[in-house]
Amino acid sequence: GENVEQHPSTLSVQEGDSAVIKCTYSDSASNYFPWYKQELGKRPQLIIDIRSNVGEKKDQRIAVTLNKTAKHFSLHITETQPEDSAVYFCAASIPGNQFYFGTGTSLTVIP
Amino acid sequence: NAGVTQTPKFRILKIGQSMTLQCTQDMNHNYMYWYRQDPGMGLKLIYYSVGAGITDKGEVPNGYNVSRSTTEDFPLRLELAAPSQTSVYFCASSSPANTGELFFGEGSRLTVL
Repeated sequence: GENVEQHPSTLSVQEGDSAVIKCTYSDSASNYFPWYKQELGKRPQLIIDIRSNVGEKKDQRIAVTLNKTAKHFSLHITETQPEDSAVYFCAASIPGNQFYFGTGTSLTVIP
Repeated sequence: NAGVTQTPKFRILKIGQSMTLQCTQDMNHNYMYWYRQDPGMGLKLIYYSVGAGITDKGEVPNGYNVSRSTTEDFPLRLELAAPSQTSVYFCASSSPANTGELFFGEGSRLTVL
């Protein structure tokens, strides 16, 4: 099955700085790569996603890049704010809509 | 739409007891999933279903069973609960006809003592 690795496991940044979280995947058949944000005690919620036919996608302060050759994708958050503090999960989906998640990154934005 | 609804939100079980976590979605999604979330371990797929009458094992199916008699419902059964099953359980659904996005329930926190 698919194996998704995520780094770093924890990340602290000053408010206004950028944060980058990286993931790698093993199955070249994976074709959909969502990122989820999970606040403490809440359910994961989709923040951005990218499909395998696209190299980059941006939504305001959040962007995701995908390198299919190297099998890695990254989440970039610019101008971080305290409300960005949460756990972020990457995921890879293989055909058939099976989703495999990374182990999460706990992001802390220091005011 | 209520989305994905899970019950109960919290439950404490004794070792050896059994219980069922209920999951219902009202979005007419074909795909439904059960994940467990342990601290620092991300989300692990327990079972999934691509439609009524069809279920498949995920990464960590041992100790669990599922059924999918209708499109809406996907209950997860724990037989002979063990402390290793202490976790937060999330039900989710998706429709490949749309974005493929996973919609999660609010989670069920289970403690086995």
